[in-house]
Amino acid sequence: GQNIDQPTEMTATEGAIVQINCTYQTSGFNGLFWYQQHAGEAPTFLSYNVLDGLEEKGRFSSFLSRSKGYSYLLLKELQMKDSASYLCAVRDSNYQLIWGAGTKLIIKP
Amino acid sequence: DVKVTQSSRYLVKRTGEKVFLECVQDMDHENMFWYRQDPGLGLRLIYFSYDVKMKEKGDIPEGYSVSREKKERFSLILESASTNQTSMYLCASSFPGPSYEQYFGPGTRLTVT
Repeated sequence: GQNIDQPTEMTATEGAIVQINCTYQTSGFNGLFWYQQHAGEAPTFLSYNVLDGLEEKGRFSSFLSRSKGYSYLLLKELQMKDSASYLCAVRDSNYQLIWGAGTKLIIKP
Repeated sequence: DVKVTQSSRYLVKRTGEKVFLECVQDMDHENMFWYRQDPGLGLRLIYFSYDVKMKEKGDIPEGYSVSREKKERFSLILESASTNQTSMYLCASSFPGPSYEQYFGPGTRLTVT
């Protein structure tokens, strides 16, 4: 079966750095997405990786290793507004998105 | 600015009722999707559509049907609502192609009593 694993919950301190991991086992791979979802709101797109390596976008970076079936989202200089769930999704060989259950990130002052 | 709107934010229906959830997008996206989101589970795809009048079953289509008569509108129908369909329903749209992200509506929290 297809599977995406993320930690259920993480806690970090304002101003710090946090890394949210995502491991996947899917039938084929055609890209990996990260989305942010604040409580009660719609998911919004953060990043897309299809090649190995690090993609940086301001305070957020996303890394992919296809050989290891592994990605992480790195958030720097954490702000209270970064408190949200972070969803990892992989596009499989049929071009369908397989979603992880999400990681709830709690930021403490 | 891409906008995906859903007809209701909150809905309460009785068991056995027919329920219509509507989704409209204004970005001329070919692809539209209906998901449900439940605590501890990832987004689960109910149905999707790649074109007008075209529909494909997702992972959990049982108890649901869809309609896409116009490019901008994608409707989800619960033929006879049941309590296990109490959930958050999210509509999304995107351009075709593997690298395009999906844009989501605000969601409809449906409670079936």
